[in-house]
Amino acid sequence: SQELEQSPQSLIVQEGKNLTINCTSSKTLYGLYWYKQKYGEGLIFLMMLQKGGEEKSHEKITAKLDEKKQQSSLHITASQPSHAGIYLCGADRNAGGTSYGKLTFGQGTILTVHP
Amino acid sequence: GAGVSQSPSNKVTEKGKDVELRCDPISGHTALYWYRQSLGQGLEFLIYFQGNSAPDKSGLPSDRFSAERTGGSVSTLTIQRTQQEDSAVYLCASSRPIRTSGGSSYNEQFFGPGTRLTVL
Repeated sequence: SQELEQSPQSLIVQEGKNLTINCTSSKTLYGLYWYKQKYGEGLIFLMMLQKGGEEKSHEKITAKLDEKKQQSSLHITASQPSHAGIYLCGADRNAGGTSYGKLTFGQGTILTVHP
Repeated sequence: GAGVSQSPSNKVTEKGKDVELRCDPISGHTALYWYRQSLGQGLEFLIYFQGNSAPDKSGLPSDRFSAERTGGSVSTLTIQRTQQEDSAVYLCASSRPIRTSGGSSYNEQFFGPGTRLTVL
C-alpha cells in the first residue's frame, strides 16, 4: 500500500488564489521533502523538514511539518501560472538524525493555475 | 554550473533487448540515486550509491536490473531482457550532505531530466 498519501490528486485554481497540498503518512516522518516537477523535466527541490512543528518558506511557498511528524502541508500564496506543475512529497525513513535521501514518494498533486 | 545530465533522453527498444541508461552527476556529489517514474507506480526508488560503500540495491524490482558507478562519478543503469512493464521515465539524482544548525544532516537531491524508456 502507498505509504504517503497526497491530497488532492489534482487542483485547478485561478491566478492569485491561495492553495494547500497535504501529505500524510501512517508512520513517523524523519525527513520530509517537497519537490516540484514540470512535464518532461526532473524534480526541483523545494524544501526539507525534519523537526515536528517546523515551518519553512521560500518566496510564496510555505511548508509545515506537524508536531507528530506524520503530516506535512505545502501552502502557496497568491498562486501564479509559474507555480503550475506536479508537487511531490518524499519521506526519508531514517531515524538516526542523518537523512540519506533514499525516499519514498507520494503519488503527486497536479496543480494547474489559470491566468 | 552543470546539473545532473542523463542520456539518452528517449530510448525505444524491443522486448527482450538490453538497454543502458547513463547518468552524469554533479561534480563533487558523493551520493547518486536512481528512481523510476511510471503512471501506475508513481516515483519509485531503485538504487543508491554513497561514496565507496556498497550500493543500496533494495529498490531494484528484479535481477534484470543492475547499476554501476565507476570512479565515484558516472553511473550506468542496465536493464536486461527488457519487458513492456519496464517502460517508464528513469530519473537519476545526485546529492551532497547538508548539515543543519541542529546538528543533523540531509541530502538535497538534484535530479536529472530523466530518460524515457519505451519497450515495444
